Amino acid sequence: GEDVEQSLFLSVREGDSSVINCTYTDSSSTYLYWYKQEPGAGLQLLTYIFSNMDMKQDQRLTVLLNKKDKHLSLRIADTQTGDSAIYFCAEGRGSQGNLIFGKGTKLSVKP
Amino acid sequence: NAGVTQTPKFQVLKTGQSMTLQCAQDMNHNSMYWYRQDPGMGLRLIYYSASEGTTDKGEVPNGYNVSRLNKREFSLRLESAAPSQTSVYFCASSEVSTGEILRGYTFGSGTRLTVV
Repeated sequence: GEDVEQSLFLSVREGDSSVINCTYTDSSSTYLYWYKQEPGAGLQLLTYIFSNMDMKQDQRLTVLLNKKDKHLSLRIADTQTGDSAIYFCAEGRGSQGNLIFGKGTKLSVKP
Repeated sequence: NAGVTQTPKFQVLKTGQSMTLQCAQDMNHNSMYWYRQDPGMGLRLIYYSASEGTTDKGEVPNGYNVSRLNKREFSLRLESAAPSQTSVYFCASSEVSTGEILRGYTFGSGTRLTVV
């Protein structure tokens, strides 16, 4: 399909790991991105991965990329209530290199 | 603080009124974008500008016009607002080199527009 796909909701308990999944469409995308949007705020770049990498780790965040299946995941270790937000996956596409966003996964963290 | 600044943060319009949403970035980025965000629809690209003096339509351009005034500023105009344009509008900018976006977009904090 044409869309970047994400599940819409994820609920976890504080201290557990969260895994947010995304499938993208363009195998030629050079970079893939994760953005975080807190309530009432804009989107903040959380992390990104270059397409020749399989994994990128940044403190509590781990990004896994499976190019064969066009699957991207974001793992948040030791999830905290402050991680409650909407997480957007995005790929670079379009003649001008526009980013195409998924619809976002709303992460709810229960104490 | 460096980044993307949008004004106003909130606006209520009556159907048929016009207004311009302002966006400015101070990161010397060459590309700028306008998105709208609606529940269940994610982010949809309205217009973008790859460089000063150029603009192109995105996915949902109808009812909007844009102006890339200079490298810093990219404004979005609603000539005759409709209730369907009630949304949250985000401006973003990026550095693009040889067709590749470098380090993603930087977003503004958004304009929450209600058309009654």
